[in-house]
Amino acid sequence: NAGVTQTPKFQVLKTGQSMTLQCAQDMNHNSMYWYRQDPGMGLRLIYYSASEGTTDKGEVPNGYNVSRLNKREFSLRLESAAPSQTSVYFCASGENFRGNEQFFGPGTRLTVL
Amino acid sequence: LAKTTQPISMDSYEGQEVNITCSHNNIATNDYITWYQQFPSQGPRFIIQGYKTKVTNEVASLFIPADRKSSTLSLPRVSLSDTAVYYCLVLITGGGNKLTFGTGTQLKVEL
Repeated sequence: NAGVTQTPKFQVLKTGQSMTLQCAQDMNHNSMYWYRQDPGMGLRLIYYSASEGTTDKGEVPNGYNVSRLNKREFSLRLESAAPSQTSVYFCASGENFRGNEQFFGPGTRLTVL
Repeated sequence: LAKTTQPISMDSYEGQEVNITCSHNNIATNDYITWYQQFPSQGPRFIIQGYKTKVTNEVASLFIPADRKSSTLSLPRVSLSDTAVYYCLVLITGGGNKLTFGTGTQLKVEL
């Protein structure tokens, strides 16, 4: 089992460009999450999907959109990247939302110039 | 959004017990408290989870008082490989329920 995989691992964008971060899990989990971690800081929840077909905002959703494509995949889109979105982005999955262990991917390191 | 706070850093020596506390005043009444460990350039890794009183597994214990406004992660007999950042994760109420990581504690273990 690969667990949680994320692509790409690294990305450099110019201000105003768009991109989609991909995340997939092979553990048949119902819930999936997107977090960002700024240098030297903790993790903040951007969006989550408690179950297939649902998505909800987390603490810092502005500037992002998400799609729960199917049970396995949960993508994060930046429509018009800004330097403030420079961060490491982690995807995670869990059996169920609230109260369950989350499994994290290796992260995507994004720099917006 | 109410912050979930932890000490910024702690230092310890190999073989000692380390206790890290997380303060979460606005925790939801019906959800778990979960702790994670994070090494540089890696995603967080699950350590332990509990709802109330005390939980113990093979690597740690978690103490939760009756009011659940704080929790304490206890690492027995730490080693150099326990040097990492430790985070609590809770569901915070107020303005809608928000899943929130604590501010993180950098633990440094020395010989």
